[in-house]
Amino acid sequence: AQSVTQLGSHVSVSEGALVLLRCNYSSSVPPYLFWYVQYPNQGLQLLLKYTTGATLVKGINGFEAEFKKSETSFHLTKPSAHMSDAAEYFCAVSDPPPRSSASKIIFGSGTRLSIRP
Amino acid sequence: NAGVTQTPKFRVLKTGQSMTLLCAQDMNHEYMYWYRQDPGMGLRLIHYSVGEGTTAKGEVPDGYNVSRLKKQNFLLGLESAAPSQTSVYFCASVPGHGKNTEAFFGQGTRLTVV
Repeated sequence: AQSVTQLGSHVSVSEGALVLLRCNYSSSVPPYLFWYVQYPNQGLQLLLKYTTGATLVKGINGFEAEFKKSETSFHLTKPSAHMSDAAEYFCAVSDPPPRSSASKIIFGSGTRLSIRP
Repeated sequence: NAGVTQTPKFRVLKTGQSMTLLCAQDMNHEYMYWYRQDPGMGLRLIHYSVGEGTTAKGEVPDGYNVSRLKKQNFLLGLESAAPSQTSVYFCASVPGHGKNTEAFFGQGTRLTVV
């Protein structure tokens, strides 16, 4: 069964500092992996995704993540935090088609990112 | 482009009342989902659908029913609301058929059961 673990429900960094949000997954096959961002009182929007190919993926707003199969991880990073990055971030997993479980998307519990001036 | 639209945006129910949340998408997506979001628990999958006329249980289906009579609509029903169902509900859709590369979310429905 798929599952996602996000370490740290709240991360606080200074403006300009490195952002690192951790995500580990459990899946019986190499999964599809996603990071979503949620700003207050809004729905979720896609930051980046890994399906196949290059294991280092770049997303919007300067974020990137690396798929490490040996560590079952998909950590999200940004070299320099900006005040506008303050939001909640969710890691998600789904099995790739044509598996019957491919239609399920499972989310982690989320990490709230705060940026200190 | 409307994308994914949820109705209503806010609702207060009394314990035991029933209601239906509507999700509509205009992107011709095959897959649709209902999640609930609670503090510290992230998004938990309630029910989902891989096509018109089909539904399946997610992680937390108890107390909810769903229907997908039309491809563009996915309804979530609460037959007898309980305070434990106080939450923010999100609908999402995905193109499907091997194109599961992004879920599109609605703006959410904030439900309070008193």
